[in-house]
Amino acid sequence: KAGVTQTPRYLIKTRGQQVTLSCSPISGHRSVSWYQQTPGQGLQFLFEYFSETQRNKGNFPGRFSGRQFSNSRSEMNVSTLELGDSALYLCASSTGTSGGNEQYFGPGTRLTVT
Amino acid sequence: AQSVSQHNHHVILSEAASLELGCNYSYGGTVNLFWYVQYPGQHLQLLLKYFSGDPLVKGIKGFEAEFIKSKFSFNLRKPSVQWSDTAEYFCAVSLFYNQGGKLIFGQGTELSVKP
Repeated sequence: KAGVTQTPRYLIKTRGQQVTLSCSPISGHRSVSWYQQTPGQGLQFLFEYFSETQRNKGNFPGRFSGRQFSNSRSEMNVSTLELGDSALYLCASSTGTSGGNEQYFGPGTRLTVT
Repeated sequence: AQSVSQHNHHVILSEAASLELGCNYSYGGTVNLFWYVQYPGQHLQLLLKYFSGDPLVKGIKGFEAEFIKSKFSFNLRKPSVQWSDTAEYFCAVSLFYNQGGKLIFGQGTELSVKP
């Protein structure tokens, strides 16, 4: 099975711009979760989508949003970028159908905001 | 709020030394527990997981972890580390009612193994 893929792998944006990141989960997985990884804050949960619905949400401002399509692929969008949004954004997929399924992570998208 | 605490920020060991990385979480309900590893330049990989049953779980590459419910702990162990174990290790918890979709991570422990 192919793993979780994320595009693009690297991105440089300017403050105030918006950005869209894409994630393709493992075939058959219906849950996609997004995380932000920074040296200072570590790995922080952004949100989870399951069957095109947001099922869990972290403590991030409304500038961070996401969606999931019928084929389970997911996108996350960050509007009005700030310098502090520079981070590695990780996507993870799982079956999402029980209380204990593990998540499989993609390689991440490295976002740099200048 | 739920949280996960990893005791050590950076651990330095010589090859063949034994490893124990501490992890504690704060949540009184049913949890699922994970250890992930991030090798330099690579993505997060699952080392092992605990859902229920035997509190001593074995993972890949000779790692094991013990869940002690009374101590809210899930410590990672390896009897003899190798240089290739140099990586960052993350403990994570998911709350059962979240259906596994939300992982709460510890701050990570960077392990450096000297050859």
